[in-house]
Amino acid sequence: QQQVKQSPQSLIVQKGGIPIINCAYENTAFDYFPWYQQFPGKGPALLIAIRPDVSEKKEGRFTISFNKSAKQFSLHIMDSQPGDSATYFCAASKGIGGTYKYIFGTGTRLKVLA
Amino acid sequence: SAVISQKPSRDICQRGTSLTIQCQVDSQVTMMFWYRQQPGQSLTLIATANQGSEATYESGFVIDKFPISRPNLTFSTLTVSNMSPEDSSIYLCSVGSSFGSQYFGPGTRLLVL
Repeated sequence: QQQVKQSPQSLIVQKGGIPIINCAYENTAFDYFPWYQQFPGKGPALLIAIRPDVSEKKEGRFTISFNKSAKQFSLHIMDSQPGDSATYFCAASKGIGGTYKYIFGTGTRLKVLA
Repeated sequence: SAVISQKPSRDICQRGTSLTIQCQVDSQVTMMFWYRQQPGQSLTLIATANQGSEATYESGFVIDKFPISRPNLTFSTLTVSNMSPEDSSIYLCSVGSSFGSQYFGPGTRLLVL
């Protein structure tokens, strides 16, 4: 019940395409869902996050879609660029006493072709 | 977001030795976390290190193997003790906000021979 399932494991798109990465969770107590971008040799960087009271959130070219009833959320990258080639991780967490401990998905390796 | 640094950035160690990893933050934070990321894998939480209390370890991680110190609101250390090749990983610290977000350091890449 604590797992976060992420798919696909890898993804190749052409420049300008819209890669979509999906995550599913079981624990309905989760109340914070961030996405991270990680380049080789670097730590993960927070991209965008959503709470279950909204169905969509946009920040620049990144959009999260959230389906509370299906317990699924996804990341869309608009007008993807070769510089977006990285590994993307979703996560889910619940706040306990103000502390949010993350459960991470397994990651998606994205390659955007020039 | 906070600026987080880790030392060392990478190390190669011999089996049976110990390595202490430092995490420094440029502002005071209550919540700090230590993660392990095995090669090509996802991140797994080792422990939560809040200042003023003992570190809280996740299932599968014990204090004898991964002792943690949190002497103040800007600094923490993680020691990987009695290392074996299976400990070869990236070790990451992060800082958390009360809103839910976490910000990660650059990581320490450890290779145990």
